[in-house]
Amino acid sequence: DADVTQTPRNRITKTGKRIMLECSQTKGHDRMYWYRQDPGLGLRLIYYSFDVKDINKGEISDGYSVSRQAQAKFSLSLESAIPNQTALYFCATSDPTRIDEQFFGPGTRLTVL
Amino acid sequence: GQSLEQPSEVTAVEGAIVQINCTYQTSGFYGLSWYQQHDGGAPTFLSYNALDGLEETGRFSSFLSRSDSYGYLLLQELQMKDSASYFCAVPRREGYSTLTFGKGTMLLVSP
Repeated sequence: DADVTQTPRNRITKTGKRIMLECSQTKGHDRMYWYRQDPGLGLRLIYYSFDVKDINKGEISDGYSVSRQAQAKFSLSLESAIPNQTALYFCATSDPTRIDEQFFGPGTRLTVL
Repeated sequence: GQSLEQPSEVTAVEGAIVQINCTYQTSGFYGLSWYQQHDGGAPTFLSYNALDGLEETGRFSSFLSRSDSYGYLLLQELQMKDSASYFCAVPRREGYSTLTFGKGTMLLVSP
């Protein structure tokens, strides 16, 4: 079984809809991250969490919110989706002493029409 | 702030050696990571250099020069399956909390 899983893998939605992307991990890591990937722009950090009680904004958090329901679960929400949020979204985890080595989920391809 | 520069695309033939460069600007530096991503897939960790020099892992090697703010990933005996995007990344200075990624280098390996 995969260490980091994401659901759904693909989602098409309409402008204005609320969307939740979910991430679960079995690696036992405290640190979890949400990234967005657009062609030619690399991976950009949306939010990150050190533990259940510690959530921090990344470089592009506007229009997004997150919830850390448990050590193993970290969800990303788009409260009112807009077309420029169409992208590939990745969840990742790491050991706090090895943030250089992050473990990524398979990604969610989100299309906002 | 932090910034990383890497070429957008590199091409090579099977069996060859290719070097993917990364230069970085950061006010504090811990080390340089490399990730591989096949088209549409998850990024996977390749290596991390905290100290100057070359580290080898099979066909892949990674080099760091802290004085030059420069590193590279060296891929030897290229195979078709090495066609992928490669990203360099550095930890953020503030509290060693997260990674900043470069925009990636697409490697195209031809027969």
